[in-house]
Amino acid sequence: AQKVTQAQTEISVVEKEDVTLDCVYETRDTTYYLFWYKQPPSGELVFLIRRNSFDEQNEISGRYSWNFQKSTSSFNFTITASQVVDSAVYFCALRRNTGNQFYFGTGTSLTVIP
Amino acid sequence: EAGVAQSPRYKIIEKRQSVAFWCNPISGHATLYWYQQILGQGPKLLIQFQNNGVVDDSQLPKDRFSAERLKGVDSTLKIQPAKLEDSAVYLCASSLQQGSYLYEQYFGPGTRLTVT
Repeated sequence: AQKVTQAQTEISVVEKEDVTLDCVYETRDTTYYLFWYKQPPSGELVFLIRRNSFDEQNEISGRYSWNFQKSTSSFNFTITASQVVDSAVYFCALRRNTGNQFYFGTGTSLTVIP
Repeated sequence: EAGVAQSPRYKIIEKRQSVAFWCNPISGHATLYWYQQILGQGPKLLIQFQNNGVVDDSQLPKDRFSAERLKGVDSTLKIQPAKLEDSAVYLCASSLQQGSYLYEQYFGPGTRLTVT
């Protein structure tokens, strides 16, 4: 069975602090995809990143970085120098290579305090 | 490029009434999804279309929910009759597909349904 766990329900940080959002997943598949989505108060889910299970290279995009470790089944997301606009709910998700169904975590609500 | 459009944005109905939601995906996206997102939870897939055919509707409560995508573009999701536990945000998403490879899903703003 597939499962995504985001243990942090809510996080508050002061602007300019760094923050890491944790994501742990479970799957027996050898090929799968991991995603992060941002859901601002407007409600729309915004795609941030996709990684496939064969690519453990960490990725950096501006203030965002992702750490994918298959050994610990984790795909953590770090925001450097957080800004108020980063306040949102962030979802980690897993997609199987077959069936194409997404399995979302319960989300982490991030509040950046000015 | 225009995003995924959904309407209405908000709907309040009484239990046992019927409701319908509409979704227009991004132009050229053959795959369309409907998700249910209950407050405090992640989205749950209800149904996935590939053009006008259903790929996966295993989590769709078929006794009360139905969805169609007749011309392979727009889609409607209907609930009849609604229950209190149907209160949620209903998200529509679409993605490109080339062969067996599915690209990222792009989500619409959602329809927030309140059943009283």
